[in-house]
Amino acid sequence: QKEVEQNSGPLSVPEGAIASLNCTYSDRVSQSFFWYRQYSGKSPELIMSIYSNGDKEDGRFTAQLNKASQYVSLLIRDSQPSDSATYLCAVIRNSGYALNFGKGTSLLVTP
Amino acid sequence: DGGITQSPKYLFRKEGQNVTLSCEQNLNHDAMYWYRQDPGQGLRLIYYSQIVNDFQKGDIAEGYSVSREKKESFPLTVTSAQKNPTAFYLCASSIGFNSNQPQHFGDGTRLSIL
Repeated sequence: QKEVEQNSGPLSVPEGAIASLNCTYSDRVSQSFFWYRQYSGKSPELIMSIYSNGDKEDGRFTAQLNKASQYVSLLIRDSQPSDSATYLCAVIRNSGYALNFGKGTSLLVTP
Repeated sequence: DGGITQSPKYLFRKEGQNVTLSCEQNLNHDAMYWYRQDPGQGLRLIYYSQIVNDFQKGDIAEGYSVSREKKESFPLTVTSAQKNPTAFYLCASSIGFNSNQPQHFGDGTRLSIL
């Protein structure tokens, strides 16, 4: 079983809609979870972190964590064409020293 | 501005040649990391360092070497033993080896074989 799994996409949503990105992880003891955005040819940029079950909102972004289901999601409200990118889910390893990354979900927001 | 600087942006390696990728940070972070990204793939950990003069192998360390002589600097050498070095190399740092601390990335170096 892969440690962090994401649908590769592409996920296509119209401008103004809600984009929903999902991630599952295999290590039950993981405590820290991150979403990074990566534009084509660029490096990853941290957009959200979440540590507790429930929702965490920051502007148009909401991260959701369900540790019992080992599931993390990212919602992007009022999606804009500038949100078109690959979104990487990352989970701290149980040894606490580095991140396990999913392969990313490609999001395309169409005008 | 505080940040992580990687250089060069693009690098070409000849057969049998070692090349060194630079990573410098002025964030006063203790922990630094090197990742490799291949097209359509997630990031894979090459080496990491918790503190000056200490570093550990990651998942794909073969063919690579690092040093951590200064807190600010964590250079990566891609040796001739790395047979498939073409990739996007990303350096990251975090405040410390605390499980709640996110990592922040430099702009990356693209390495290709001539």
